[in-house]
Amino acid sequence: AQKITQTQPGMFVQEKEAVTLDCTYDTSDPSYGLFWYKQPSSGEMIFLIYQGSYDQQNATEGRYSLNFQKARKSANLVISASQLGDSAMYFCAMRELYSSASKIIFGSGTRLSIRP
Amino acid sequence: GAVVSQHPSWVICKSGTSVKIECRSLDFQATTMFWYRQFPKQSLMLMATSNEGSKATYEQGVEKDKFLINHASLTLSTLTVTSAHPEDSSFYICSGKQGDNEKLFFGSGTQLSVL
Repeated sequence: AQKITQTQPGMFVQEKEAVTLDCTYDTSDPSYGLFWYKQPSSGEMIFLIYQGSYDQQNATEGRYSLNFQKARKSANLVISASQLGDSAMYFCAMRELYSSASKIIFGSGTRLSIRP
Repeated sequence: GAVVSQHPSWVICKSGTSVKIECRSLDFQATTMFWYRQFPKQSLMLMATSNEGSKATYEQGVEKDKFLINHASLTLSTLTVTSAHPEDSSFYICSGKQGDNEKLFFGSGTQLSVL
């Protein structure tokens, strides 16, 4: 069965510093996708970055990068030069790709707070 | 980027009434729509998956007769909470995907409060 684990319930980081949010996963499917979403206090979910299990390079999207270590089954999100607007809940998610309708599961989330 | 419009953003209703939540994909065809609920400070819990034109597939423990999902078109999916009770109070959020595109596009969520 697939599983996503985020072990950091909350983090405080000084503005302009880089931050790493941890995510480990478990799956028996060789083909899967990993996602990171940001949920500000307004509740909406904002897609940040995607990594496919067969992608050769780590995904990057602006200040976001995904540190994908397949052997360790980890997919940590790195935010460079953090900003006050980065304060939010962050969810790691995974979807097994054996079926176009397979479900996506979410980790428990990490609340990131940026200090000015 | 793709947008999913979800309405209403919040609703308060009396116990026993039904509430309908709509999600519209504005600039893509949502062949699959996922519905989630989220309790305060917790993760999203998948309730059901619906493919356009088909009956929704519900997760274990989710009452299909209570949470009616309709996905009659590629741009509209609705969730109706029937005979709502206070324990149904929660944040409900939808997300859509088009075909095999891996990205999910989320609505902005609906906060339901049942009195």
